[in-house]
Amino acid sequence: GQQLNQSPQSMFIQEGEDVSMNCTSSSIFNTWLWYKQDPGEGPVLLIALYKAGELTSNGRLTAQFGITRKDSFLNISASIPSDVGIYFCAGLAYSGAGSYQLTFGKGTKLSVIP
Amino acid sequence: DTEVTQTPKHLVMGMTNKKSLKCEQHMGHRAMYWYKQKAKKPPELMFVYSYEKLSINESVPSRFSPECPNSSLLNLHLHALQPEDSALYLCASSQGQVPNEKLFFGSGTQLSVL
Repeated sequence: GQQLNQSPQSMFIQEGEDVSMNCTSSSIFNTWLWYKQDPGEGPVLLIALYKAGELTSNGRLTAQFGITRKDSFLNISASIPSDVGIYFCAGLAYSGAGSYQLTFGKGTKLSVIP
Repeated sequence: DTEVTQTPKHLVMGMTNKKSLKCEQHMGHRAMYWYKQKAKKPPELMFVYSYEKLSINESVPSRFSPECPNSSLLNLHLHALQPEDSALYLCASSQGQVPNEKLFFGSGTQLSVL
């Protein structure tokens, strides 16, 4: 099946710093999604990307759909303590016979030091 | 209403018990999902209902039995579970035109099997 390589696995940053994380694959995806999950909660959709090259922002978050359709990155600017959590990328790809498959990356755990 | 509501939030059950997890959404979404998530791992797809019909069963053991009574409700019936089934069970929904697109997750049920 398709696999997503998400990196880094974890990161510790100082409050106010910018953060960057990415997902890469050997497969092509039709849609890229970025989710954030707080402890004991379900993932919350942050950004959805639908076209190769698309750059989309949501407040301090910016994500891009790679030109090759095989990667995506998420940037968080001026991090704050509430940015702490696990960030998952997810790629949606056509899997044949009218079906689509959603594949999740393994997640990036973000810790923010006040 | 942009929420997916799951009950109960926590559940402890013995291996001989029968219990049910419930999920509800009123966004008019026609696809609903059950995911299982172990600690520090991404969500793993269990079942997909599309227009109230089971469309995907990812080889889940029969001790898990899904049910979709109507387009707003999704249940997961549990019977004779094993301790390794302890996990966060997440319900999600999407509009349904492209299955798996832009999932909206509930907060999950944290299940412990003793």
